[in-house]
Amino acid sequence: SYELTQPPSVSVYPGQTARITCSADALPKQYAYWYQQKPGQAPVLVIYKDSERPSGIPERFSGSSSGTTVTLTISGVQAEDEGDYYCQSADSSGTYVLFGGGTKLTAL
Amino acid sequence: QVQLQESGPGLVEPSQTLSLTCTVSGDSISTDTYYWSWIRQPAGKGLEWIGRIYASGSTNYNPSLKSRVTMSLDTSRNQFSLNLHSVTAADTAVYYCAREREVPAALSVYFDLWGRGTLVTVSS
Repeated sequence: SYELTQPPSVSVYPGQTARITCSADALPKQYAYWYQQKPGQAPVLVIYKDSERPSGIPERFSGSSSGTTVTLTISGVQAEDEGDYYCQSADSSGTYVLFGGGTKLTAL
Repeated sequence: QVQLQESGPGLVEPSQTLSLTCTVSGDSISTDTYYWSWIRQPAGKGLEWIGRIYASGSTNYNPSLKSRVTMSLDTSRNQFSLNLHSVTAADTAVYYCAREREVPAALSVYFDLWGRGTLVTVSS
């Protein structure tokens, strides 16, 4: 098995760009997914298959992948983007699901 | 509009069995298009996948919980259920049910729809 590592927190001023990374400590490379969770609410999918955006998710949310690191980028952060962000992947067989530890995004 | 709703006791005594049900509305759990999962989140902590059940009734469980977990389907009620046995205070968490999708030919899965979650406290 492997782990997904995220920074515990990221802080940016409104209007700036936030980048949240998720690193796998070992292969294999699987697609990554990103969820946004606001206090008291269930997670919401914001990026799937590394870089695809579900319908209804603002264009300022984007994803990318390089090697064993995936990145969620939020361009022009708004106050409403504050919350916890989790990356998610799976083992090589797609059987077992893994979540990163989560990153708290703060708009200063 | 598809919705998932968790239900079950909010308080469970230590060593007992935690039992939750997820009712799916707007879609059939008998479809092969989706899988049905349970995920939990202790207060102030991250998400932990517990396991999934397929329309066939087959299951996959998180290895760390496998010895204590059973899941089942009730297609007549369009529900799926979680039983977590021999619970301790460490099992106190918000429990979510979620709809899971597979990316064809990529052996990759993700959750596109979640219930609102239900808090289960393990305490005497």
